[in-house]
Amino acid sequence: GAVVSQHPSWVICKSGTSVKIECRSLDFQATTMFWYRQFPKQSLMLMATSNEGSKATYEQGVEKDKFLINHASLTLSTLTVTSAHPEDSSFYICSARASQGPGSPLHFGNGTRLTVT
Amino acid sequence: ILNVEQSPQSLHVQEGDSTNFTCSFPSSNFYALHWYRWETAKSPEALFVMTLNGDEKKKGRISATLNTKEGYSYLYIKGSQPEDSATYLCAFGNAGNMLTFGGGTRLMVKP
Repeated sequence: GAVVSQHPSWVICKSGTSVKIECRSLDFQATTMFWYRQFPKQSLMLMATSNEGSKATYEQGVEKDKFLINHASLTLSTLTVTSAHPEDSSFYICSARASQGPGSPLHFGNGTRLTVT
Repeated sequence: ILNVEQSPQSLHVQEGDSTNFTCSFPSSNFYALHWYRWETAKSPEALFVMTLNGDEKKKGRISATLNTKEGYSYLYIKGSQPEDSATYLCAFGNAGNMLTFGGGTRLMVKP
């Protein structure tokens, strides 16, 4: 149980285009989902917390107009990288908890490798 | 910025060896410490979530200990197997909903 599906797994796009990444909880409802970014040889950095039915909470230094998050249902959160540039090339991964609180484990998607040319 | 560090960054062991690695984290505002295993081309999988000082948890050949007063956790693997090869991540949780991840320890077990 507690499966999270993330699509696409990888995407290559041209500079200036926008890319949407989907994160779905397949067998549980997630009022909160988390979006992480990982640069090569670095740890997972939390970008934002996606809240169903309300605005996402962004971490310091993450541009909310650049990384649009929508959490329209209890099973789907999307991250849109708007007007992507080569410096946005990275690995993006989402996660969700089947129950609330930092004592509950995260269930992760497989991640999305974004390359902007 | 919370400082969560893992050591070593990478580790090569022979099949059958036992091994351990460390996660250090802030000793204040502690709520939970998570361990995840991340195999190549798969998603990170939760191994343990520990909340109490002195906690010890075990899952097969893998076990973990927790010292919240001094801010460290050890992950042990007994009799390493090639299928244990993965990156092991720890994450520190405070009373908020957020987890801060360490950089991971990449374990490679040679047959």
